[in-house]
Amino acid sequence: ETGVTQSPTHLIKTRGQQVTLRCSSQSGHNTVSWYQQALGQGPQFIFQYYREEENGRGNFPPRFSGLQFPNYSSELNVNALELDDSALYLCASSPTDRPTEAFFGQGTRLTVV
Amino acid sequence: QQQVKQSPQSLIVQKGGISIINCAYENTAFDYFPWYQQFPGKGPALLIAIRPDVSEKKEGRFTISFNKSAKQFSLHIMDSQPGDSATYFCAASALNTGNQFYFGTGTSLTVIP
Repeated sequence: ETGVTQSPTHLIKTRGQQVTLRCSSQSGHNTVSWYQQALGQGPQFIFQYYREEENGRGNFPPRFSGLQFPNYSSELNVNALELDDSALYLCASSPTDRPTEAFFGQGTRLTVV
Repeated sequence: QQQVKQSPQSLIVQKGGISIINCAYENTAFDYFPWYQQFPGKGPALLIAIRPDVSEKKEGRFTISFNKSAKQFSLHIMDSQPGDSATYFCAASALNTGNQFYFGTGTSLTVIP
């Protein structure tokens, strides 16, 4: 087990709706990144949070937003869902002293219909 | 634009054989190169990683070979076992970006008993 927990594990939403995905990291993991993994593809970097501030962003539109909380949990919010947003969403957290050592959660499978 | 290119897309190896997966990158700012293993329904798990100051790193049956001048790196799985059957991703990150990874497209490995 990685100590990184994501919820929910599966979710079905309708196009145009909004969704919030959650991630709970290990204590001391101040860096969390979110990834989108389409079927049969590698994970694509969405954004990174460090000490509750956005610290880098991939090629994703502003309707993808996030939050990180002092208790090592974080959220990914997606507004105005599109069919192409259907994917596995992964969060990865890292300890402060080993920022490249990423521990991934099991992911949330989002289906947009 | 795919920052990290991975091949082959799929690989079938006999038990006891050697599995070889290759990756190439263009961005010379990359300085950390991990390999991840992913089983169906699970998040990626770190297998082994290398920095460009060494040409090879070995951990058990897994070896990374790194060619800085060619901007290529590869994963070798010795004595492949059926339990190694999974999808493997190479990745890269740049200095001081922590767990902001660029992933390859993945290789589906099947080890036949």
